[in-house]
Amino acid sequence: AQSVTQPDIHITVSEGASLELRCNYSYGATPYLFWYVQSPGQGLQLLLKYFSGDTLVQGIKGFEAEFKRSQSSFNLRKPSVHWSDAAEYFCAVGVYSGYSTLTFGKGTMLLVSP
Amino acid sequence: EPEVTQTPSHQVTQMGQEVILRCVPISNHLYFYWYRQILGQKVEFLVSFYNNEISEKSEIFDDQFSVERPDGSNFTLKIRSTKLEDSAMYFCASSGSSNQPQHFGDGTRLSIL
Repeated sequence: AQSVTQPDIHITVSEGASLELRCNYSYGATPYLFWYVQSPGQGLQLLLKYFSGDTLVQGIKGFEAEFKRSQSSFNLRKPSVHWSDAAEYFCAVGVYSGYSTLTFGKGTMLLVSP
Repeated sequence: EPEVTQTPSHQVTQMGQEVILRCVPISNHLYFYWYRQILGQKVEFLVSFYNNEISEKSEIFDDQFSVERPDGSNFTLKIRSTKLEDSAMYFCASSGSSNQPQHFGDGTRLSIL
């Protein structure tokens, strides 16, 4: 069965600094990978996705992620963090066997300091 | 941009009662899902629904749970005889096809007393 590990429960970054959130997955085939963001009291908003092709994918709000098959990783990055980026970030792997399900990591809470 | 909408945003129910959580998926989507997130835990898949039937369900989705698409726009999750451990945030999602990203609603926070 597939699984997703987000090793960092909390991360604090200064505003304007760069950000990298880690995600490792376990799945037997080429995965479909996603990053979602959840602001307090809100639902899950899709930041970006990887299905195939270019391993560096661009998303909304200036985020990008790189798929590294050799490391089973799909880390999320942003070159300069804004206070409004404070939220919880979830990495997910999709299993498409005719019907899709998402398996989520436990999430990383991003705190942005002034 | 089209959105998935969920009602109510917060539901408080006595243990043992039945609850129905409602979702309006994006209008041209064909695949519908329910997930739940117990406080402090990860988001967990419950069930997927396509062509008016359940296509996949997790171990969590036992006989206590049911889903229905009663008309052309709503998608509901019914929980019979609720238990304290059913307290969670329940998310509805929809997608245009099985290999397109899922779009999530803002969730319904279910509190069982």
